[in-house]
Amino acid sequence: NAGVTQTPKFRVLKTGQSMTLLCAQDMNHEYMYWYRQDPGMGLRLIHYSVGEGTTAKGEVPDGYNVSRLKKQNFLLGLESAAPSQTSVYFCASSLGLARSYEQYFGPGTRLTVT
Amino acid sequence: GENVEQHPSTLSVQEGDSAVIKCTYSDSASNYFPWYKQELGKRPQLIIDIRSNVGEKKDQRIAVTLNKTAKHFSLHITETQPEDSAVYFCAARRGADGLTFGKGTHLIIQP
Repeated sequence: NAGVTQTPKFRVLKTGQSMTLLCAQDMNHEYMYWYRQDPGMGLRLIHYSVGEGTTAKGEVPDGYNVSRLKKQNFLLGLESAAPSQTSVYFCASSLGLARSYEQYFGPGTRLTVT
Repeated sequence: GENVEQHPSTLSVQEGDSAVIKCTYSDSASNYFPWYKQELGKRPQLIIDIRSNVGEKKDQRIAVTLNKTAKHFSLHITETQPEDSAVYFCAARRGADGLTFGKGTHLIIQP
């Protein structure tokens, strides 16, 4: 049982390049989330999903897209990276409302955009 | 949307003393309030959480209190130890929405 995993762990992009971050969970969780963490800002919600095939915007969605084609995977895409997207990205998952609110976090992806 | 304020941003206490971190939230519909501990370069780890139908919860040296009327909740750590040094985040959640986090408290345990 690996829990929540993220790929890649580190990445450096040039401005304008695109990339996809992969989050995978093997706990059969319904809900999945993407957060970003900047120094002194805590974590901020980018997008989330309450089930396969569904996505919703969070607090800071601009410049990102997501997809949840399979229940166990949640992808975060950057179509045209900007230096302001330099951050640590955390994925999380939870069982689902009314069953358990606890969110389990992945190890994070450190992204630098130059 | 929800807004969570956390204080203090840095807290230094002597080993063995107690530490208290306070948070306020703005959305009265929020019903779940977790606390996370994050060590440098690591993922956030849940240390305790409380739902809106409970006023207080304790787990060994850690306790959380919730005042729904005033919309604030606090983390209490007693008998602090060097391994308690970390950044602590409070958060609030409404329904299926993701968590809204405070900006964090850097807790320093002085030997």
